[in-house]
Amino acid sequence: QVQLVESGGGVVQPGGSLRLSCVASEFTFSSHAMHWVRQAPGRGLEWAAIISKDGIYIYYADSVKGRFTISRDNSKHTLYLQMNSLRPDDTAMYYCATNPVGSYWFDPWGQGTLVTVSS
Amino acid sequence: QSALTQPASVSGSPGQSITISCTGTSSDIGGYNYVSWYQHHPGKAPKLMIYDVSNRPSGVSNRFSGSKSVNTASLTISGLQAGDEADYYCSSYTSANTWVFGGGTKLTVL
Repeated sequence: QVQLVESGGGVVQPGGSLRLSCVASEFTFSSHAMHWVRQAPGRGLEWAAIISKDGIYIYYADSVKGRFTISRDNSKHTLYLQMNSLRPDDTAMYYCATNPVGSYWFDPWGQGTLVTVSS
Repeated sequence: QSALTQPASVSGSPGQSITISCTGTSSDIGGYNYVSWYQHHPGKAPKLMIYDVSNRPSGVSNRFSGSKSVNTASLTISGLQAGDEADYYCSSYTSANTWVFGGGTKLTVL
């Protein structure tokens, strides 16, 4: 069964940095685009970034562009999100998710890792 | 990248049907048949319920159905059950090669 497990969340001060990881198992990681989606407390889901299966194509939501960097290591079946210049409104549960090959929907998702930006 | 518009809440009694709307623009919902719907229980991973407007993944009850007209997609749940109570989100691919979600709808089964 496909499994995605996020880690790296925690408490960080405004202006600080954090790197999230998402380890994939039981599927051909290198064949799938990967995404980060976040949910702030009491708010809805917000798409943040996508990286293509080979890392060539990368797109970001305007809210994170210039501050966050998505990357992947296919040899380690791992997706990353480097978050810099963090702001209180970046406080959220961060989920990684994948598109089945050739699709435009998200399935499956990880359980999420919580990032809290606070002084 | 404005969020798709969903009602904040809907409710229904067991056995009834409800419909959740999701309104976007010609740059997202109206431009592609790439609308998907997710069921989300707090603290758990979102679950795919509908993909490509109206298709159900294996294992999802046929009580869930999806449709689209111009810039508005809809999720209908028939024969409401207590276990359907959750937050529901729509999502669409966009012309900017990005994705956008709706604000979410809280379904209450009375």
